Amino acid sequence: QQPVQSPQAVILREGEDAVINCSSSKALYSVHWYRQKHGEAPVFLMILLKGGEQKGHEKISASFNEKKQQSSLYLTASQLSYSGTYFCGTVVYGGATNKLIFGTGTLLAVQP
Amino acid sequence: NAGVTQTPKFQVLKTGQSMTLQCAQDMNHEYMSWYRQDPGMGLRLIHYSVGAGITDQGEVPNGYNVSRSTTEDFPLRLLSAAPSQTSVYFCASSFYSANYGYTFGSGTRLTVV
Repeated sequence: QQPVQSPQAVILREGEDAVINCSSSKALYSVHWYRQKHGEAPVFLMILLKGGEQKGHEKISASFNEKKQQSSLYLTASQLSYSGTYFCGTVVYGGATNKLIFGTGTLLAVQP
Repeated sequence: NAGVTQTPKFQVLKTGQSMTLQCAQDMNHEYMSWYRQDPGMGLRLIHYSVGAGITDQGEVPNGYNVSRSTTEDFPLRLLSAAPSQTSVYFCASSFYSANYGYTFGSGTRLTVV
């Protein structure tokens, strides 16, 4: 039930681009993206609610392909502040309620 | 505006002890969740609540109890602590459902010896 993220880790130089992928074996209704810095709590980046929707947050954007049950996070012209672990979360429906299940995370390290 | 407040920040328990992790939010959020975070396993859902008086199980509920008597508070109880429950616990809240962005508390680092 847990979504699968790839890659598990990526190392970049400042200014380089990266893509983090998130896929689910179950139908996706919405996808969340969060960033967590070491020793801190996860911080909400964005949520995608519609199939094919693409949203942006500074130089970070994401796409959501409902048919392929996939979402991708795009980080362009990376900055040192982008370092951290990125988590996708997929909303799963169970009866009258829904719940957010997270992937195992992608560690991103941006070097000078 | 405090957001989501978790107490304590650190706790050491002996095997078999019980304790309650506190979580309170002041944003009038209906939806609250508890996650545990272990190295390499991401955030795993323990229990969640869609409003006062309504709770449900997540992915890893065994050994934990929750209740939601008010909108603001969502405590997590460990019934009989085991070393496998050593983890970092995060409480999170969102406006109405899982389809809104989550605000996380700063976490409780629990060690069971």
